[in-house]
Amino acid sequence: GAGVSQSPSNKVTEKGKDVELRCDPISGHTALYWYRQSLGQGLEFLIYFQGNSAPDKSGLPSDRFSAERTGGSVSTLTIQRTQQEDSAVYLCASSYEWGVGPQHFGDGTRLSIL
Amino acid sequence: AQSVTQLGSHVSVSEGALVLLRCNYSSSVPPYLFWYVQYPNQGLQLLLKYTTGATLVKGINGFEAEFKKSETSFHLTKPSAHMSDAAEYFCAVSDQVRGGSQGNLIFGKGTKLSVKP
Repeated sequence: GAGVSQSPSNKVTEKGKDVELRCDPISGHTALYWYRQSLGQGLEFLIYFQGNSAPDKSGLPSDRFSAERTGGSVSTLTIQRTQQEDSAVYLCASSYEWGVGPQHFGDGTRLSIL
Repeated sequence: AQSVTQLGSHVSVSEGALVLLRCNYSSSVPPYLFWYVQYPNQGLQLLLKYTTGATLVKGINGFEAEFKKSETSFHLTKPSAHMSDAAEYFCAVSDQVRGGSQGNLIFGKGTKLSVKP
């Protein structure tokens, strides 16, 4: 596609539910990144993929968070047993390769936990 | 560990006035430095970046930034603000790794720029 596509754009769910956020990177980009943007915390790096591999999971805030990427393209970020502090905008970015070229960002998914 | 400090969470200027958004970084190795802009309900867009070479970097929309190693700064400037510049601006740093590639980005907390008519 022309840019990084994220879905849904907005998600409201009840505390304790699981959510899945989707990211479709720019065609041909092998690296994909997830960030979280919340009030007071700014932009936090969560995880990146080079191809289907995630060498660095150190940014995931707890074991309730997981991410996968299959086929070297679409990625899903899953949050289990959501908590109110998970409310944030989740941004996805992609680049040609990890460490090569600028990161291009999607418009994000705004997640609200009631 | 790397870090980025953006002085001023909010900056307000008049249309036509100079824009100066401050960014200081901490890095143990030569850094790569970036400025991104975020408009409401949108993702981040790269304004400019410094990797190596010329320390004065020109970006899109008339913005530029100067890398000053002695001051560990990478301040963003624009000579004349336009109403359309109102947005949030993020400074970011990454390490040089593996023969010059950039590592993961560490962002500052952002500065919201307001432009008064």
